[in-house]
Amino acid sequence: EAGVTQFPSHSVIEKGQTVTLRCDPISGHDNLYWYRRVMGKEIKFLLHFVKESKQDESGMPNNRFLAERTGGTYSTLKVQPAELEDSGVYFCASSQDHRWNYGYTFGSGTRLTVV
Amino acid sequence: DAKTTQPPSMDCAEGRAANLPCNHSTISGNEYVYWYRQIHSQGPQYIIHGLKNNETNEMASLIITEDRKSSTLILPHATLRDTAVYYCIVRPLNTGNQFYFGTGTSLTVIP
Repeated sequence: EAGVTQFPSHSVIEKGQTVTLRCDPISGHDNLYWYRRVMGKEIKFLLHFVKESKQDESGMPNNRFLAERTGGTYSTLKVQPAELEDSGVYFCASSQDHRWNYGYTFGSGTRLTVV
Repeated sequence: DAKTTQPPSMDCAEGRAANLPCNHSTISGNEYVYWYRQIHSQGPQYIIHGLKNNETNEMASLIITEDRKSSTLILPHATLRDTAVYYCIVRPLNTGNQFYFGTGTSLTVIP
């Protein structure tokens, strides 16, 4: 089966611009998660979708970040306007159900650089 | 926040067993121990998880002490491709949705 796919793999934008990251989960996986690692910090949870509904968005840093999952398939994470501290790697993961008997499957991430 | 303590770095000779320790002294009865790793420029990869019994799969073995306050991930024959940051995570199996990754152990396999 195809894994979790993220687009783009790299993005360099100027401060104040908008960037949209995309995640295509494994087909049939209802649960989709966003995580990120900003420079020098640990990997941190951002939010969790079950199908098209936000189950938990407690990790979203502020209202400049907007995640959507229309139709319960792929998800987008928009950062508007981007700030320097948003630079880092954004990971998406999916799982078939929330029990994760075998853990999530992560994508390779999108490396975002805000200059 | 992460509920585990791991050494920041370790070296292992290629072909030898890599034993990565993890302390989780405050683990609750319903919390599992998960191990993930992150190879440079890739997303985290699931390795193994367990509750109280030792577990083995094609990637690794997980040894959990009887009091469950610590565990050891064993890579039986480390290869250069096993160089990565290894994360020990505790969380309930059937609830919640977050993994707290902590700082992990950076394992370097030396030729």
